[in-house]
Amino acid sequence: NAGVTQTPKFQVLKTGQSMTLQCAQDMNHNSMYWYRQDPGMGLRLIYYSASEGTTDKGEVPNGYNVSRLNKREFSLRLESAAPSQTSVYFCASSEGHGDSPLHFGNGTRLTVT
Amino acid sequence: QKEVEQNSGPLSVPEGAIASLNCTYSDRGSQSFFWYRQYSGKSPELIMSIYSNGDKEDGRFTAQLNKASQYVSLLIRDSQPSDSATYLCAVKVAGGSYIPTFGRGTSLIVHP
Repeated sequence: NAGVTQTPKFQVLKTGQSMTLQCAQDMNHNSMYWYRQDPGMGLRLIYYSASEGTTDKGEVPNGYNVSRLNKREFSLRLESAAPSQTSVYFCASSEGHGDSPLHFGNGTRLTVT
Repeated sequence: QKEVEQNSGPLSVPEGAIASLNCTYSDRGSQSFFWYRQYSGKSPELIMSIYSNGDKEDGRFTAQLNKASQYVSLLIRDSQPSDSATYLCAVKVAGGSYIPTFGRGTSLIVHP
């Protein structure tokens, strides 16, 4: 059982380049999330999708876009990467009700030069 | 503004001791509480969840919740060097989209 799968694991971009981070879950979860984690800042929510067909902004959405492609997949796109987007990105999923915990992918370490 | 506060640490304890990690939250509507462990360079993994006042035990881990005082704690008994990690507290508020708010984590070091 794979759980939450993120690709790629590592990526180096030049300023202004674009890329898409992919995330897929096989737990039939309704909700999916994208977080970034920076030293001393904790986990900050970028975007989330409460259910298939819906997406909403989180705490730090600027510079990002998302697509909930289907129930399994939730992608995060950086249209024009900036050095401030250097971070570790985590995708997570949950059943979506109040008692359900988040299940995290292994993360993508992104460096923008 | 929902806030979840944790002491960043590091909290250093000797092997075999009890490690006590604390978390306070600001929103009285909070209903679900989670503790995650994150090893360096890895993703967070769920250790415990607790929803009612009192204690919940799972092996060497005990979560304690006091909604009146708005704090949740995690006790790790017989601490092992393998418990050295960052522990994240997460809180969900009732209603809405159930987005958890995370604390910044407490770094725990268990030394032999």
